[in-house]
Amino acid sequence: ELKVEQNPLFLSMQEGKNYTIYCNYSTTSDRLYWYRQDPGKSLESLFVLLSNGAVKQEGRLMASLDTKARLSTLHITAAVHDLSATYFCAVYLMTGNQFYFGTGTSLTVIP
Amino acid sequence: GAGVSQSPRYKVAKRGQDVALRCDPISGHVSLFWYQQALGQGPEFLTYFQNEAQLDKSGLPSDRFFAERPEGSVSTLKIQRTQQEDSAVYLCASSLGTRYYEPQYFGPGTRLTVT
Repeated sequence: ELKVEQNPLFLSMQEGKNYTIYCNYSTTSDRLYWYRQDPGKSLESLFVLLSNGAVKQEGRLMASLDTKARLSTLHITAAVHDLSATYFCAVYLMTGNQFYFGTGTSLTVIP
Repeated sequence: GAGVSQSPRYKVAKRGQDVALRCDPISGHVSLFWYQQALGQGPEFLTYFQNEAQLDKSGLPSDRFFAERPEGSVSTLKIQRTQQEDSAVYLCASSLGTRYYEPQYFGPGTRLTVT
């Protein structure tokens, strides 16, 4: 069974600081997704990473994928309050067209 | 255009009752997914439809759970004889085609509370 673990589970950071969220998974896959979820809201797609070494950036967020290490990172640059949310990574397995989500990282950016 | 909609948004059921949760995907979207999200957890896959065909139902936790999409658009997730452990947010997502790289668009979810 595929396991997807995120680290840290909770993150409190000051505005302007940088930090990285890690997503480790247990089975070979080269398809990884990052989502954002605001409290009481649904999930919003952030990034789709489709190959080893893929890097994507949008604003203050940058995601990367290392399929050999089975690791994806979500790097936050100069955090702002609007980034406060829960971030999920999800790994895709072709078998059954299934997506396996991590436990989520709850990010709070403090002014 | 409208996104994925789900109804009801909130449902309180007494243990043993049957419930039906509805998902209206984005028009024209071929793929439809149902997920269960427990409090403080990530979504867990329940089932997947490609048009009207249910291609994977391996995530349904028991035979009390049943999903259908008879005309390839609206989908219904039915839970029979609800139990307290069924309390969760049920999320529906759709994507345009069948390619894994296509983004999934999630609905707002239905929060089910079983008392």
